[in-house]
Amino acid sequence: EDQVTQSPEALRLQEGESSSLNCSYTVSGLRGLFWYRQDPGKGPEFLFTLYSAGEEKEKERLKATLTKKESFLHITAPKPEDSATYLCAVQVRERNAGNMLTFGGGTRLMVKP
Amino acid sequence: DTEVTQTPKHLVMGMTNKKSLKCEQHMGHRAMYWYKQKAKKPPELMFVYSYEKLSINESVPSRFSPECPNSSLLNLHLHALQPEDSALYLCASSQDKNRDRGNIQYFGAGTRLSVL
Repeated sequence: EDQVTQSPEALRLQEGESSSLNCSYTVSGLRGLFWYRQDPGKGPEFLFTLYSAGEEKEKERLKATLTKKESFLHITAPKPEDSATYLCAVQVRERNAGNMLTFGGGTRLMVKP
Repeated sequence: DTEVTQTPKHLVMGMTNKKSLKCEQHMGHRAMYWYKQKAKKPPELMFVYSYEKLSINESVPSRFSPECPNSSLLNLHLHALQPEDSALYLCASSQDKNRDRGNIQYFGAGTRLSVL
């Protein structure tokens, strides 16, 4: 069974304090790994997709990396507006899986000024 | 433009009411999804439509009835809901043609449903 685990569940940072969020996965065949940001009461906002080990993507203060077992979302010098829940999800190659996303439990990030 | 529009934003209904949630996208996506999300939990998949046909039903109770009138619209009809059905209901859409690499799902802002 496909599994996605995110850690930590919650993370408190001071403004400017860089850190990383982890997403470990066990799947039969990875088609893609996705990072989303979700603000309270809103829908998930797409951030990055990674397809193969060694791939990296960057956007402003965020950088996503991928290995064969896990992905990291690095946050450099975070600001209070980066506070949100960050969701990791995978799509797999199983014939009947279609575009189904298997989500991790999310990491709730709070950045204090 | 990666916008998925959901209406209404908020909905309060009694257990005997019938209501509908609506979702619209104009990105030319041929796959559309309904998710249910409880507080502090990730989204849970309910239904998948591919080329206007229901392709996945994740054992959702029959009081939830999806409908895809055309490639841009997705509805979720609600009838005789229970208080435990109160949640954020999310719609998403994606391409449905990339078999080797994943297809990005774009989410709407959601409908906050309260069942009294």
